[in-house]
Amino acid sequence: DQQVKQNSPSLSVQEGRISILNCDYTNSMFDYFLWYKKYPAEGPTFLISISSIKDKNEDGRFTVFLNKSAKHLSLHIVPSQPGDSAVYFCASEGNTGKLIFGQGTTLQVKP
Amino acid sequence: DAMVIQNPRYQVTQFGKPVTLSCSQTLNHNVMYWYQQKSSQAPKLLFHYYDKDFNNEADTPDNFQSRRPNTSFCFLDIRSPGLGDAAMYLCATSRSKGRGGTDTQYFGPGTRLTVL
Repeated sequence: DQQVKQNSPSLSVQEGRISILNCDYTNSMFDYFLWYKKYPAEGPTFLISISSIKDKNEDGRFTVFLNKSAKHLSLHIVPSQPGDSAVYFCASEGNTGKLIFGQGTTLQVKP
Repeated sequence: DAMVIQNPRYQVTQFGKPVTLSCSQTLNHNVMYWYQQKSSQAPKLLFHYYDKDFNNEADTPDNFQSRRPNTSFCFLDIRSPGLGDAAMYLCATSRSKGRGGTDTQYFGPGTRLTVL
């Protein structure tokens, strides 16, 4: 049973435009969410996080939005750059440190 | 540079032949995790160590074991690999088991295991 879902396996956007990556979760007890970015041949690296006490967290070009009632979060990248091309994983983190990941979305940013 | 290192990057083993994957870290983190990621699936936590305290996930098969002889090293042992164990194995570390910030998990590049 997939508790964190990323329903879009891939996304392609033009350089300079907005990239929106989506994530849904099923457990209303989840209260902390993260996005990780993974380049080929490298491990995932932490990108940005959000606690359920917030509905938005921004870090430079990256913004994460949380809609608790819909159990949905999204990552916005504005403006998108070719170097952003990677696999993006959404994850929920429990209070034991356990990460529950989504399947990932492959983002391609075209020059 | 401080980092999480996994060796080997690619491992081929035969059906039923024991195999050991290695992870080392220079971050001096207290927690080390092992995740399994099968093709096009989400990474899934197998177990973790908090210092010497081993924590197994309920659905991790008995075929998977782990050792942590010291702070820097952690090993994943697969006693009798089956075809279904072919996957990417990711090691991660964190300072503690809090939420984000300095307790963010840092991942190694992974070891891709092939079972023939």
